Amino acid sequence: SQQGEEDPQALSIQEGENATMNCSYKTSINNLQWYRQNSGRGLVHLILIRSNEREKHSGRLRVTLDTSKKSSSLLITASRAADTASYFCATDARWGNNDMRFGAGTRLTVKP
Amino acid sequence: NAGVTQTPKFQVLKTGQSMTLQCAQDMNHEYMSWYRQDPGMGLRLIHYSVGAGITDQGEVPNGYNVSRSTTEDFPLRLLSAAPSQTSVYFCASSALGGAGGYNEQFFGPGTRLTVL
Repeated sequence: SQQGEEDPQALSIQEGENATMNCSYKTSINNLQWYRQNSGRGLVHLILIRSNEREKHSGRLRVTLDTSKKSSSLLITASRAADTASYFCATDARWGNNDMRFGAGTRLTVKP
Repeated sequence: NAGVTQTPKFQVLKTGQSMTLQCAQDMNHEYMSWYRQDPGMGLRLIHYSVGAGITDQGEVPNGYNVSRSTTEDFPLRLLSAAPSQTSVYFCASSALGGAGGYNEQFFGPGTRLTVL
């Protein structure tokens, strides 16, 4: 089964607003990553946060990780129409399967 | 660097036919993987490899075979295509982070497969 699950499934906001997406996972992890997918295209890596980190920033992106709650959040500030895409979290488990698993994603629509 | 390349981009098969989806990367990455993505869903892991000669099953391996004879190539073979295998297939590669897990994955552009 998928390791991570994003919430909400879909999010619609106005340009300039902030967008927050959440990811919950089931087992202890080494790293958690966020990816973006524009319609019909391959995924693009956004940011990686390690299990011993609590927060990372990259431009307008802010990611937090709470290992006690097995959850992460992705915040996009001052959103733009070009941010419209699907966003996925991916995790690699510390024990068990030696692979990376993705959640079902959050579909973000930013209205101009 | 070309990154991760996949061929073909589109393919239509009849039920029962077999075919191989090609994937190659030029970044000398140890980890390579195949995912399928169905409409409105995330990516489900089919098979993966942590190095030449080493492969393992993911979440949905049935009906697919893989091999990894070189670091660069990781082909996915459909043994006997079924309509349930209609999907978009993505190949990805990543450098291994040792005990610290995986680094970022680089994705190919995908192969859209339709099985009639």
